[in-house]
Amino acid sequence: EAGVAQSPRYKIIEKRQSVAFWCNPISGHATLYWYQQILGQGPKLLIQFQNNGVVDDSQLPKDRFSAERLKGVDSTLKIQPAKLEDSAVYLCASRQQGRETQYFGPGTRLLVL
Amino acid sequence: RKEVEQDPGPFNVPEGATVAFNCTYSNSASQSFFWYRQDCRKEPKLLMSVYSSGNEDGRFTAQLNRASQYISLLIRDSKLSDSATYLCVVNDPPGGTSYGKLTFGQGTILTVHP
Repeated sequence: EAGVAQSPRYKIIEKRQSVAFWCNPISGHATLYWYQQILGQGPKLLIQFQNNGVVDDSQLPKDRFSAERLKGVDSTLKIQPAKLEDSAVYLCASRQQGRETQYFGPGTRLLVL
Repeated sequence: RKEVEQDPGPFNVPEGATVAFNCTYSNSASQSFFWYRQDCRKEPKLLMSVYSSGNEDGRFTAQLNRASQYISLLIRDSKLSDSATYLCVVNDPPGGTSYGKLTFGQGTILTVHP
């Protein structure tokens, strides 16, 4: 079974630029998550989708971050404009309905200069 | 108080040693607990779930103390391949709109040396 796919794997941008990340969850997984992991910390949830609806975006900095999952399958996370403190690994995870285990993608490593 | 708190370490132990990690959580209504493992520059992967009765998987034993809101992970006979960051993870209580939301501790770094 294919795992969670993410792209790009690495991205370097300058502050105030825009960037977008893509995630394709495991087939059939209705719940999708985006996490931010800053160096030396555990992952922090940014947003949770159930199919194409937002369940929890309480920790998403909405002035600069946005995310969508229009068809209830793959998802994009955008940062506009980026700040230095956005340098982190952005992890996507998915979960099957009724199961607790979340499966993580390899992440996108973002460096903002 | 942090929602999930771990000793960040690092723990440096020789092969064959026994090492224990501790974790505390703040939400007394939480019902699901896990240990995830994260290798350097890789994604987190589920190591094991933690049950009230305690559970064991080979050299790994996880314990939960609900009264103290405390979770532990014991690794016996450490191997070089056990070197990683161990993340204590708590799942939101069921029934809320955020069921399935995981809260991670900052992780405990383990290095096993020859």
